[in-house]
Amino acid sequence: SAVISQKPSRDICQRGTSLTIQCQVDSQVTMMFWYRQQPGQSLTLIATANQGSEATYESGFVIDKFPISRPNLTFSTLTVSNMSPEDSSIYLCSVVWSGRSSYEQYFGPGTRLTVT
Amino acid sequence: GNSVTQMEGPVTLSEEAFLTINCTYTATGYPSLFWYVQYPGEGLQLLLKATKADDKGSNKGFEATYRKETTSFHLEKGSVQVSDSAVYFCALSDIAGANNLFFGTGTRLTVIP
Repeated sequence: SAVISQKPSRDICQRGTSLTIQCQVDSQVTMMFWYRQQPGQSLTLIATANQGSEATYESGFVIDKFPISRPNLTFSTLTVSNMSPEDSSIYLCSVVWSGRSSYEQYFGPGTRLTVT
Repeated sequence: GNSVTQMEGPVTLSEEAFLTINCTYTATGYPSLFWYVQYPGEGLQLLLKATKADDKGSNKGFEATYRKETTSFHLEKGSVQVSDSAVYFCALSDIAGANNLFFGTGTRLTVIP
């Protein structure tokens, strides 16, 4: 399996500012995703981070609010722009890992964001 | 479309009790099914999976069987421990695409000594 790290692990930010979250994987992976977990809720996919091209966003998420970079096969960033308290969530990156007989998705430890 | 319906919690059990957390799904194709666990203050960890009908996933004493006829993937453990206290998420993915995971709402389990 892949080892995934995220920075920062947590942050408290003021409304109107932006925060960039980094996701680093110890192996090259083709598919990388960003999820959001709002307080007490399940996970919602924000976008697929595509290497060398623009990210693919899910319904309800837009590039201006959540710009994503994927410069290579081991690294991605998610920026939460012009933050409001509603953006307070845990943000997780994940990667798809090809096992012997199937695909598995592994998650980073998450970045806990609080917007005041 | 794809969706997962998961037993709502919270669930509180005494140590050594039997655990069942229900999960049913709706899928357009032949999904893979997963249980993820989130321990307090930690990220999601893959607990077990099943990729086709009648497969049984198992790990750490937990089991779940992929039942196509009832579109279910219930999580069970014969004897829970305090260390099993966590939030459990049922999820499915389109194996052909190996991409987006659809998650249930999560079930918080608390095991008391």
